[in-house]
Amino acid sequence: AQSVSQHNHHVILSEAASLELGCNYSYGGTVNLFWYVQYPGQHLQLLLKYFSGDPLVKGIKGFEAEFIKSKFSFNLRKPSVQWSDTAEYFCAVKGSQGNLIFGKGTKLSVKP
Amino acid sequence: GAGVSQSPSNKVTEKGKDVELRCDPISGHTALYWYRQSLGQGLEFLIYFQGNSAPDKSGLPSDRFSAERTGGSVSTLTIQRTQQEDSAVYLCASSLDPGRTDTQYFGPGTRLTVL
Repeated sequence: AQSVSQHNHHVILSEAASLELGCNYSYGGTVNLFWYVQYPGQHLQLLLKYFSGDPLVKGIKGFEAEFIKSKFSFNLRKPSVQWSDTAEYFCAVKGSQGNLIFGKGTKLSVKP
Repeated sequence: GAGVSQSPSNKVTEKGKDVELRCDPISGHTALYWYRQSLGQGLEFLIYFQGNSAPDKSGLPSDRFSAERTGGSVSTLTIQRTQQEDSAVYLCASSLDPGRTDTQYFGPGTRLTVL
């Protein structure tokens, strides 16, 4: 069965620091990968997604992720975080029914 | 346009009671998904509808859980004889179709507390 691992449970950064959140998936075939974000008190929303083509995917709010097939990874990056990026971030892979299989999530706290 | 809506936003119930949770997907979205978000388990997939049909119900945690969708639109998730371990946030998502490239849009969730 497919699974997703997020290595960091809680990350604390100061504003303007660079961010990289790790995500690894288990499936070796064709994968569809996603990063969702959940801001405090809000619902899950899509940051970016990868289906095929350029392995470097750009999303909203300056986020990007790189698909590295040989490492089964899809890490999320942002060069300079802001206080408003404080949220929980979820990596996901698409399952056989079109459902999303999520990692446990990483909480990001950005200190002003 | 309107997003996915869910009701109620919060539900507190006593152990052993039945509850019904409702999801209104985005208009025109044929695929609908139910997930559960809890502290211990993270985000778990429960069931998926394509139109009114749910091809696979194996993701439902127990036979106390059931779901239906009517008219290709509104869906209800019913939990019978609730238990404390059912306490969680129940999320609904919809997409245009279940294809590989499609994006799922999530509702705000229903927070269920079983006392």
